[in-house]
Amino acid sequence: DAGVTQSPTHLIKTRGQQVTLRCSPKSGHDTVSWYQQALGQGPQFIFQYYEEEERQRGNFPDRFSGHQFPNYSSELNVNALLLGDSALYLCASSLPGEVADTQYFGPGTRLTVL
Amino acid sequence: GENVEQHPSTLSVQEGDSAVIKCTYSDSASNYFPWYKQELGKRPQLIIDIRSNVGEKKDQRIAVTLNKTAKHFSLHITETQPEDSAVYFCAARRGSYIPTFGRGTSLIVHP
Repeated sequence: DAGVTQSPTHLIKTRGQQVTLRCSPKSGHDTVSWYQQALGQGPQFIFQYYEEEERQRGNFPDRFSGHQFPNYSSELNVNALLLGDSALYLCASSLPGEVADTQYFGPGTRLTVL
Repeated sequence: GENVEQHPSTLSVQEGDSAVIKCTYSDSASNYFPWYKQELGKRPQLIIDIRSNVGEKKDQRIAVTLNKTAKHFSLHITETQPEDSAVYFCAARRGSYIPTFGRGTSLIVHP
C-alpha cells in the first residue's frame, strides 16, 4: 500500500520565480491538503482539495494556487516567490468526512528561495 | 478561528523518565485532537489521537488525556527511550475543518 508521495524532494529557486510541487495521495484517499512548515514551526494550512475543487483555504495569498487531478493527485503552485516562501511544503491525504479524515503526511518538498 | 498553544517548546529528559507535553485550544467546538511525531528531516507521523467523547486514550507507552472543560489536552510518554527524541505537534480540529497545529515541542531523551 503506497503512502503519500511528493516530488521533488528539494528545490532551489530565486526570488520572482514560479514553482510547482506535486503530491500523490495514499491509496484510497481522495482528499489532499497542503501545508507550509517553516523552520521550528508547526504546519500551517494552505488549502485542501476534494473532487478537483478547492474546499477550504488558509490565510495564504493568491500567489499560492493548486489543482487536483481526476486521479486525486495534486499540485501546489507558487508564483512570484519571496524569500519568506522558503519552507518545507507538506502534502497530507485523507478520506472526506468528520470521522475518517485522519491525515497522513508525505515526506515534503524542501523549497529554498534565494 | 482556532488557536492552539503548546508547551513546553523544548523538553529534556533522562532515558526511562516520563515526558508530558501540554496543549490548550480556544474553540470549545473542537472535537478531534491528534498528536504527530516528526523526526529530523522526516514527515509528521500520527502517533495517537483522541475524540471529545473520551477523556483518555492509551497505546503502549503513550497516552493522551483530554479535559474539555478546561480546553486542554496532554501527551504522556512513559519509560522514554532515545528513539523518542523528535518534535511533537498537537492539533485541534472542529468537525470536518482543517486541524490547527501547535508550534511543536522538541523532546530530547538523554541515554
